[in-house]
Amino acid sequence: DQQVKQNSPSLSVQEGRISILNCDYTNSMFDYFLWYKKYPAEGPTFLISISSIKDKNEDGRFTVFLNKSAKHLSLHIVPSQPGDSAVYFCAASYPNKLIFGTGTLLAVQP
Amino acid sequence: GAGVSQSPSNKVTEKGKDVELRCDPISGHTALYWYRQRLGQGLEFLIYFQGNSAPDKSGLPSDRFSAERTGGSVSTLTIQRTQQEDSAVYLCASSLGGITEAFFGQGTRLTVV
Repeated sequence: DQQVKQNSPSLSVQEGRISILNCDYTNSMFDYFLWYKKYPAEGPTFLISISSIKDKNEDGRFTVFLNKSAKHLSLHIVPSQPGDSAVYFCAASYPNKLIFGTGTLLAVQP
Repeated sequence: GAGVSQSPSNKVTEKGKDVELRCDPISGHTALYWYRQRLGQGLEFLIYFQGNSAPDKSGLPSDRFSAERTGGSVSTLTIQRTQQEDSAVYLCASSLGGITEAFFGQGTRLTVV
């Protein structure tokens, strides 16, 4: 039973363009949503989060949008840079634990 | 140390052997988590320690898995009688409070042959 789903295993974007990473969830009790970024052979690093009471949070080139009625969130990266190439995990917070999606591999082409 | 440290970084073991994975959290962090990532899958919660409270073991997949946290700091994840399906990257994370502020280690890649 996968409560957090990232249906796109990979995404390729040209440098300078927008990257949009999508995530769907099933549990309406999740109170916080996060995006983590992971480079090979490293642990995930926190990128940006959003509370369930908000619909948008912006931090520099990164913006997360939350649509609670659709149980959907997305991460926008603009402009995309080659250094953004990594696996991006969506995660939902339920008391004491994070539930992660399977990740999306983003490749930003120079 | 500056970050969460895990050892070993890689471990190859024979099926049926026991293994111990170690996690040194960030100094002062009261919460410690173990996750694992099997090939092609997302991060799977295993266990959570918070201060002196009883750990949340709800994610441990079988009784072959156990974890300890000594003195509120270092944690050891033990897998007994390893099986091939235990092959995964095991990740440890620590935080001051709340999973939303967790910092991950680099992981231990376990391969059971």
